[in-house]
Amino acid sequence: DAGVIQSPRHEVTEMGQEVTLRCKPISGHDYLFWYRQTMMRGLELLIYFNNNVPIDDSGMPEDRFSAKMPNASFSTLKIQPSEPRDSAVYFCASSRTSGGTYNEQFFGPGTRLTVL
Amino acid sequence: QQQVKQSPQSLIVQKGGISIINCAYENTAFDYFPWYQQFPGKGPALLIAIRPDVSEKKEGRFTISFNKSAKQFSLHIMDSQPGDSATYFCAARGYSGGYQKVTFGIGTKLQVIP
Repeated sequence: DAGVIQSPRHEVTEMGQEVTLRCKPISGHDYLFWYRQTMMRGLELLIYFNNNVPIDDSGMPEDRFSAKMPNASFSTLKIQPSEPRDSAVYFCASSRTSGGTYNEQFFGPGTRLTVL
Repeated sequence: QQQVKQSPQSLIVQKGGISIINCAYENTAFDYFPWYQQFPGKGPALLIAIRPDVSEKKEGRFTISFNKSAKQFSLHIMDSQPGDSATYFCAARGYSGGYQKVTFGIGTKLQVIP
């Protein structure tokens, strides 16, 4: 399996522009997570889905952030309009429910976003 | 309730020494405590995980010690090597509305110097 795939790997944009980050989870995984990583705040959970349905978006910082999962193999995280403080590394992760044991989250390589 | 506190945020250890990272939690409903390792430019990857009914789990040079009464757990890296230099996250799994949710600590950047 190719693992979790994210694109683009790097994104540089100007303040006010729309940014779309993409994620392809591992086939067969029913959970998908979006995280943001910064030096100051560490790894923050933004939103997660189960079977394509958003379960908890309480970590989404503002209405400028939105996420969708139209099918089991694709998810997007959109920032509109982007601001310099959104600069961070954004990770997508997926996992599979397994009864009784810890179901490992597999992380993608991340998208490094820089908003100028 | 969902917070996991991790310390220190950075750690420098000599090669061959023991690296120790500590975490604490409040929510007694957490049922798994994983540790993730992240190398520069990569996503975090699961290193080792423990259940709260186990006091210690060892995998190679990596050991988790768990103190349920104190609500604390720690990662010990024995015979630390330069290749262990990475950021380490402790985490805890809980449930929200019947769905699994993992809360991560802020991370510890470990540097092992030769």
